[in-house]
Amino acid sequence: AQSVTQLGSHVSVSEGALVLLRCNYSSSVPPYLFWYVQYPNQGLQLLLKYTTGATLVKGINGFEAEFKKSETSFHLTKPSAHMSDAAEYFCAVTGSGANNLFFGTGTRLTVIP
Amino acid sequence: DAGITQSPRHKVTETGTPVTLRCHQTENHRYMYWYRQDPGHGLRLIHYSYGVKDTDKGEVSDGYSVSRSKTEDFLLTLESATSSQTSVYFCAISDRGVRTDTQYFGPGTRLTVL
Repeated sequence: AQSVTQLGSHVSVSEGALVLLRCNYSSSVPPYLFWYVQYPNQGLQLLLKYTTGATLVKGINGFEAEFKKSETSFHLTKPSAHMSDAAEYFCAVTGSGANNLFFGTGTRLTVIP
Repeated sequence: DAGITQSPRHKVTETGTPVTLRCHQTENHRYMYWYRQDPGHGLRLIHYSYGVKDTDKGEVSDGYSVSRSKTEDFLLTLESATSSQTSVYFCAISDRGVRTDTQYFGPGTRLTVL
């Protein structure tokens, strides 16, 4: 079975501060991992994904994530938060089938001016 | 943006009535998905399709059925809506599956069952 745990349903940071959103996964097979962002009243948009190869993955809008197998983690970071980063962020992992995605419960990021 | 539309965008209905949500794509992607989004649960897969007339169940398929008679349309039907099906429903598409391709999401349908 596959599952994702996102620690912290709400995270607040000051504008210009480091953003760190945590994701831990459980998977019985080598995982493919994803981060999605959802702006208010919109669908989800892919930020970045890890499939194989380099464990540090760079995505859009200055975000990156590092796959750490020993820690079963895939935390999302951004060095300097912008007001436009305020949104909800979802971590997801593939299932045993090729077309199953399991999502975490989401983390709402607030950026304080 | 990927060409995905969902209709209706908002619907209020009563318990026991049938409801059909439509997802339409203009990308000619093979895979189509229906998710529901609920507070505290994130997104959960209801059903997906891997081709015309080829569908499979997701983790929360009870009370839902789907049909795909054309590549571009994927319908989600609630045969007899219940209050527990009040949710936001998202359609998604991908060309070659989630492992090898990006999954694109539609704008969502907010369904309220009274």
